[in-house]
Amino acid sequence: QQQVKQSPQSLIVQKGGISIINCAYENTAFDYFPWYQQFPGKGPALLIAIRPDVSEKKEGRFTISFNKSAKQFSLHIMDSQPGDSATYFCAASIWSVGKLIFGQGTELSVKP
Amino acid sequence: NAGVTQTPKFRVLKTGQSMTLLCAQDMNHEYMYWYRQDPGMGLRLIHYSVGEGTTAKGEVPDGYNVSRLKKQNFLLGLESAAPSQTSVYFCASSYDPRTGVGSGALGDTQYFGPGTRLTVL
Repeated sequence: QQQVKQSPQSLIVQKGGISIINCAYENTAFDYFPWYQQFPGKGPALLIAIRPDVSEKKEGRFTISFNKSAKQFSLHIMDSQPGDSATYFCAASIWSVGKLIFGQGTELSVKP
Repeated sequence: NAGVTQTPKFRVLKTGQSMTLLCAQDMNHEYMYWYRQDPGMGLRLIHYSVGEGTTAKGEVPDGYNVSRLKKQNFLLGLESAAPSQTSVYFCASSYDPRTGVGSGALGDTQYFGPGTRLTVL
């Protein structure tokens, strides 16, 4: 059972454009929604995270938008750069439990 | 700090062989996790541990065993490898989210190792 669904599977964006990756979850008990970034040959690393008490969180060029009623959240990368080319995973968990359920991943390629 | 390290980085096994993957962390984290990563499947939790001497099953535990004899180490074992276990394996660790240590904006951040690429022929 896939509790977190991520789309698209791959994304090509021109330098300076906006990259948007979407995730939907099923379990209404989830209360922690992180995004992880993974470069080829490396382990994932936390990029940005949000709790459901806010609808948006911004850190530099990265923004999470959260829609609790729709059970959806998305990652926006503004002014995308070639260095942002990586695989991005959304995830969800019950914060006090700590077990993350990951989405399928999105391979982002930013063309110069 | 070395963070989370994994040994080995690569391994090729024949069907039926056994092996152990070692994960070590030097951040004094209570929680440790083993994931496998397969194309189009994301990261799936195999087993995890909430403290020394304790382990629990994740989403895909069949064919794997784990042990956490020391707080800093988490071992993943394959008793009889199968081609379906060909994958990239990642270990991760985190603080206990219930204690609030490391909480705040980063919450229960999981820190990942560099991965082990395993091929079973």
